[in-house]
Amino acid sequence: ELKVEQNPLFLSMQEGKNYTIYCNYSTTSDRLYWYRQDPGKSLESLFVLLSNGAVKQEGRLMASLDTKARLSTLHITAAVHDLSATYFCAVAFYGGSQGNLIFGKGTKLSVKP
Amino acid sequence: GAGVSQTPSNKVTEKGKYVELRCDPISGHTALYWYRQSLGQGPEFLIYFQGTGAADDSGLPNDRFFAVRPEGSVSTLKIQRTERGDSAVYLCASSLGQGQPQHFGDGTRLSIL
Repeated sequence: ELKVEQNPLFLSMQEGKNYTIYCNYSTTSDRLYWYRQDPGKSLESLFVLLSNGAVKQEGRLMASLDTKARLSTLHITAAVHDLSATYFCAVAFYGGSQGNLIFGKGTKLSVKP
Repeated sequence: GAGVSQTPSNKVTEKGKYVELRCDPISGHTALYWYRQSLGQGPEFLIYFQGTGAADDSGLPNDRFFAVRPEGSVSTLKIQRTERGDSAVYLCASSLGQGQPQHFGDGTRLSIL
């Protein structure tokens, strides 16, 4: 069964602190995505990770991919309130489903002053 | 417009009614996807179109759900004999092709009373 698991599901942080969100997936994948979703809004693409060891950074967010461990991480550095949102990882499996994404349940991040 | 457009943004209807949800993808995108997102969950795949044909409809929950894309652009998701459990946000995404990043619309929030 194709599974994508994120943890933690809820994360309350203080501004200025660092933290990491983890995304594990169950089988070989071609690519992994990180999305951000604000309440009542759609999904905003943050990162696409294509290969083992890939690392991408944008502002206070950095994503990495270890395909051997089937693990991706989203690291938050010196959190600010504007980062409060729900973060999803999604994995593309091309076995038979031709590219639809399998999403984790999301990590709801709340950054408090 | 530049992005994926979905209409209506909100739809409230009674149990047993028929509904149609529309998705207008980004111009030139040949791949179109429908997902369903329940409260507190990640999006779940429903159906994927490549051009006019449904390449993968394995995510449709039952035969009350049907989708079309007759001219390879706009798609309509149709739900017959709606049930309260169909209440969710229905998201549409499009991409240049299989394996390309998916761009999401704002979704249609469907409420079945």
